[in-house]
Amino acid sequence: DTGVSQDPRHKITKRGQNVTFRCDPISEHNRLYWYRQTLGQGPEFLTYFQNEAQLEKSRLLSDRFSAERPKGSFSTLEIQRTEQGDSAMYLCASSLANNQPQHFGDGTRLSIL
Amino acid sequence: AQTVTQSQPEMSVQEAETVTLSCTYDTSESDYYLFWYKQPPSRQMILVIRQEAYKQQNATENRFSVNFQKAAKSFSLKISDSQLGDAAMYFCAYRSEMIQGAQKLVFGQGTRLTINP
Repeated sequence: DTGVSQDPRHKITKRGQNVTFRCDPISEHNRLYWYRQTLGQGPEFLTYFQNEAQLEKSRLLSDRFSAERPKGSFSTLEIQRTEQGDSAMYLCASSLANNQPQHFGDGTRLSIL
Repeated sequence: AQTVTQSQPEMSVQEAETVTLSCTYDTSESDYYLFWYKQPPSRQMILVIRQEAYKQQNATENRFSVNFQKAAKSFSLKISDSQLGDAAMYFCAYRSEMIQGAQKLVFGQGTRLTINP
């Protein structure tokens, strides 16, 4: 059990560019969550996967955001045409089913120039 | 929609002393979990303690304990014998136990805890 892994740890990009983040959950965890955390705030839910199915998306997830989880393993979160307001920490978490706690990765910090 | 409120943006305590962090929440559900997570600077979010709403007994994990008042919708965290390693941002979080749903976490704004040596 190596924990939830996120890559990259930091991403700096110019406004208007596309970025993609990766999350590798704890093996055998079938639930995967993405959250966004802005400076000084608590994380906010973005989207949820159960295996490969994306079952819920927050209203925070505009059409510039897309997430996938092919084969129910790792997940990617892509942001197209980045904006200043996208600057945040993007956190991934995973859990087993049946009311188990969520385990978080270190996050990817996105800075938009 | 559920909401979680942490009214203390910052708290400080002397090493070895006891500190209590406050959290209130709003929900119309009867079955849910409450959590306290710890987020050290530039490090990952770690689960500190959790409480099932149907349990009247307050959860305890070593130096960490909660005071769960379901009717008042209050869920405070008490840290006894504070240690320098306890310094972190602490988040209170709510999770619905509805079978159909993401069971996503709803977080409060956080309380930054400083430990004074």
